[in-house]
Amino acid sequence: GAVVSQHPSWVICKSGTSVKIECRSLDFQATTMFWYRQFPKQSLMLMATSNEGSKATYEQGVEKDKFLINHASLTLSTLTVTSAHPEDSSFYICSAGGLNTEAFFGQGTRLTVV
Amino acid sequence: AQSVAQPEDQVNVAEGNPLTVKCTYSVSGNPYLFWYVQYPNRGLQFLLKYITGDNLVKGSYGFEAEFNKSQTSFHLKKPSALVSDSALYFCAVRDVTSNTGGFKTIFGAGTRLFVKA
Repeated sequence: GAVVSQHPSWVICKSGTSVKIECRSLDFQATTMFWYRQFPKQSLMLMATSNEGSKATYEQGVEKDKFLINHASLTLSTLTVTSAHPEDSSFYICSAGGLNTEAFFGQGTRLTVV
Repeated sequence: AQSVAQPEDQVNVAEGNPLTVKCTYSVSGNPYLFWYVQYPNRGLQFLLKYITGDNLVKGSYGFEAEFNKSQTSFHLKKPSALVSDSALYFCAVRDVTSNTGGFKTIFGAGTRLFVKA
C-alpha cells in the first residue's frame, strides 16, 4: 500500500514555543490530507482537512490560529502547533487517501509540552 | 450525518478461539466501511474495507468482516485469535461532505482486544 511518513515521531518542547510536524506521501500525490489528534485510550478526533494549494478546513472547536496547516505541495502537509501549552500535549496523526480507498496513516507524533 | 458505534470498550479472548469485534453504522446512502488496527504509539494500519460487492470481506492478517445491511453492522472477525492480535481496533465510515468530492473519515471509539495465551 501507499506510504505516508510523519516526522518527528516524538517531540518535547517548552511552553510558549512552536512545533512543526510534517506529513509526507512518499509514493503518491495527495491533494487532501487529514490531521487527527488522539488522547490516551480514545479515538481519533479529526482536527482539519488539509487541501493542497488552498486553505485547510478546520473542524468545529479547533483553533485555526493555533494549529496552522500548510499544504504547499502534493506530497507534503505540515501542522504547526503555535505557542504550545501543556494541554496541547497529545498524539497527532496524519493520513491521506482517496474517497474510494482506505486511509494511509503516518506513524504519529507524540508531542509533550513542558 | 454518518456515524459508527463500537459498543464494546474491550474484548477478551483466549488464543486459538474465534474473536468478534462489533461495529454498527448509521449512514445516508451507500456505506463505505473500514476497519483499522492501532498498536501502541503508532499510526493506524488498514485491515479491510467494504465499498461494494460481496458482503463478506477478507482482509489482512486473517481478519474478515461481514457487511449486514439489514442490521447495519460490520463486525470484525477472526477464526483463531493470536496473542499478537492484541491491539486497539477502530471501525470507520467514510462521510462525503460535498458534491465536489470532499470527504472525511468518521471513527468509532475503538475496541481494545486482549488475547490471552
